[in-house]
Amino acid sequence: EDKVVQSPLSLVVHEGDTVTLNCSYEVTNFRSLLWYKQEKKAPTFLFMLTSSGIEKKSGRLSSILDKKELFSILNITATQTGDSAVYLCAVEAESSSNTGKLIFGQGTTLQVKP
Amino acid sequence: NAGVTQTPKFQVLKTGQSMTLQCAQDMNHNSMYWYRQDPGMGLRLIYYSASEGTTDKGEVPNGYNVSRLNKREFSLRLESAAPSQTSVYFCASSDKGFWGLAYEQYFGPGTRLTVT
Repeated sequence: EDKVVQSPLSLVVHEGDTVTLNCSYEVTNFRSLLWYKQEKKAPTFLFMLTSSGIEKKSGRLSSILDKKELFSILNITATQTGDSAVYLCAVEAESSSNTGKLIFGQGTTLQVKP
Repeated sequence: NAGVTQTPKFQVLKTGQSMTLQCAQDMNHNSMYWYRQDPGMGLRLIYYSASEGTTDKGEVPNGYNVSRLNKREFSLRLESAAPSQTSVYFCASSDKGFWGLAYEQYFGPGTRLTVT
């Protein structure tokens, strides 16, 4: 059975700290991994990773994929209170039969205190 | 562009009542999805539609039905609501990118449903 597991499930840090969120997966024929940020409402897209070892970066956020060890990390440097959110990891697998179907992890709830 | 819209935003039902959640997208996407989100469980796929005229079960389809009315609209129906269906429901849409990989999914604002 395909599964995606995120850790930690929740995290509390102070502004300025650096955080690392983890996502590991076990899927049949991996195709891509996506990160989303969810504040109060709908998830919004952050990154999509398909190749091992290539870092995707957007401002203070960055992410990298390790296809050999089957995991990805999301780093946030110099955290701000606006980074407080649930971060979701999702994987597309071959078993999705080209439907674009994603398998989501449970999410990591990040709280950044002033 | 409105993106993905959902109605209603909130709903309270009594056990056994039925209702339909509506979803529409204006991005000309082929694929549409219905998820439910419960505390500590991330997003779980209920049903999806890879293209107009097709629908398939996801991870948790029991108690739900769907209709892909046309390319824009994908509705989710609860025939006989149960308290276990209390959740936040999200609709999403996407298209396929290069090499057939999934593009990002765009999500609607969600419907908070309570079944008493």
